[in-house]
Amino acid sequence: AQKVTQAQTEISVVEKEDVTLDCVYETRDTTYYLFWYKQPPSGELVFLIRRNSFDEQNEISGRYSWNFQKSTSSFNFTITASQVVDSAVYFCALSDLYGGATNKLIFGTGTLLAVQP
Amino acid sequence: SQTIHQWPATLVQPVGSPLSLECTVEGTSNPNLYWYRQAAGRGLQLLFYSVGIGQISSEVPQNLSASRPQDRQFILSSKKLLLSDSGFYLCAWSVRSIGANVLTFGAGSRLTVL
Repeated sequence: AQKVTQAQTEISVVEKEDVTLDCVYETRDTTYYLFWYKQPPSGELVFLIRRNSFDEQNEISGRYSWNFQKSTSSFNFTITASQVVDSAVYFCALSDLYGGATNKLIFGTGTLLAVQP
Repeated sequence: SQTIHQWPATLVQPVGSPLSLECTVEGTSNPNLYWYRQAAGRGLQLLFYSVGIGQISSEVPQNLSASRPQDRQFILSSKKLLLSDSGFYLCAWSVRSIGANVLTFGAGSRLTVL
């Protein structure tokens, strides 16, 4: 079954702290893709990153970094030196490739990150 | 560049009334289109997706329906709203190809059923 688990419902940190958002997935596919999206208070989902199952290299983009570990089926997201503007709900998602070009995503329940000044 | 529009942004409707949410995409052809719902628990649930005009797939049985009358238009409807239909509805599009393309979301429509 395709499933994404984000066990952390809410996290609160003080500005400049580092924070890691956890994501654990289950999939029947040997090839799959993982995503992170950010949902600020305005509501629109903003794409952050897509990784495929063959690329386990960690990725860094500015203050954001992602750790993909196939052995533990995890795709964790770390924000370094958090800022108030990072406050949002963050979603991890897994591709559902069954059926070819339907391109569906299975989302986790999200983690609400509150960064206090 | 591609843009996606959703309207209305906010809607308050009585139980039993009809619903129509509209989504259009500009700057692309033959997109895949999706309707997701985000209920109070924040999870995103896929309601419908479409890979072409008139082709609608439903993910969960419910009180809602979807239609795609034109290539870049996707409509979410209900004949009689229930209280449980309240939520935040997000339309999204992606390139139509095998693989896992990025979904780009609209700004959402917040529906409150009273």
